Amino acid sequence: EVQLLESGGGSVQPGGSLRLSCAASGFTFSNYAMSWVRQAPGKGLEWVSGIDGSGHTYYPDSVRGRFTISRDDSKNMLFLEMNSLRAEDTAVYYCAKDGFSASSIYFFDYWGQGTLVTVSS
Amino acid sequence: EIVLTQSPGTLSLSPGERATLSCRASQSVDTSYLAWYQQKPGQAPRLLIYAASIRATGIPDRFSGSGSGTDFTLTISRLEPEDFAVYHCHQYGDSPFTFGPGTKVDIK
Repeated sequence: EVQLLESGGGSVQPGGSLRLSCAASGFTFSNYAMSWVRQAPGKGLEWVSGIDGSGHTYYPDSVRGRFTISRDDSKNMLFLEMNSLRAEDTAVYYCAKDGFSASSIYFFDYWGQGTLVTVSS
Repeated sequence: EIVLTQSPGTLSLSPGERATLSCRASQSVDTSYLAWYQQKPGQAPRLLIYAASIRATGIPDRFSGSGSGTDFTLTISRLEPEDFAVYHCHQYGDSPFTFGPGTKVDIK
């Protein structure tokens, strides 16, 4: 059974940093690209980063230069380092497994339950 | 960036009725790289459809997807009580990968 378990969320002041982790199990982690998707309270979904099996990373402009996605295939772990956090980064952050392959970012067939990040003074 | 627009914002229907949800893209979606997800309150999204029309594993055949280019549709042939939820479309053909704002299907 595929499981994705996020951790590391919490409250942080504007300008602060936070590191999210996602522990994966139930599939061959290195065979799939992975992403982070967030959802602000009462809002829609927003893709915020992706990493393929070769370690190539992908970001939207809204977080590029502030967020860094990484993976440790030896430990089946996905990470999101978030710096210079803003109030608009407040959201539930989901770890999501690619549904197709390791080669690029496609659709997401499994999601974790999410971890809440609150940016407020 | 491809902007996805979903309509209607809310769809009020009764169990047993047919639901038709629309997702329109601001430009053509490459190779029909369009997915649909269902999300219930307090839960993570669940993949329903990918590549515009392929049902994900374990998804009942009352869910179907169609469309290409800029216009896509999710149809639920006969609503079951567990189908009342928010539905999101998602294009993964062009980075940044984007989602629509969602359509809420609620009980009439």
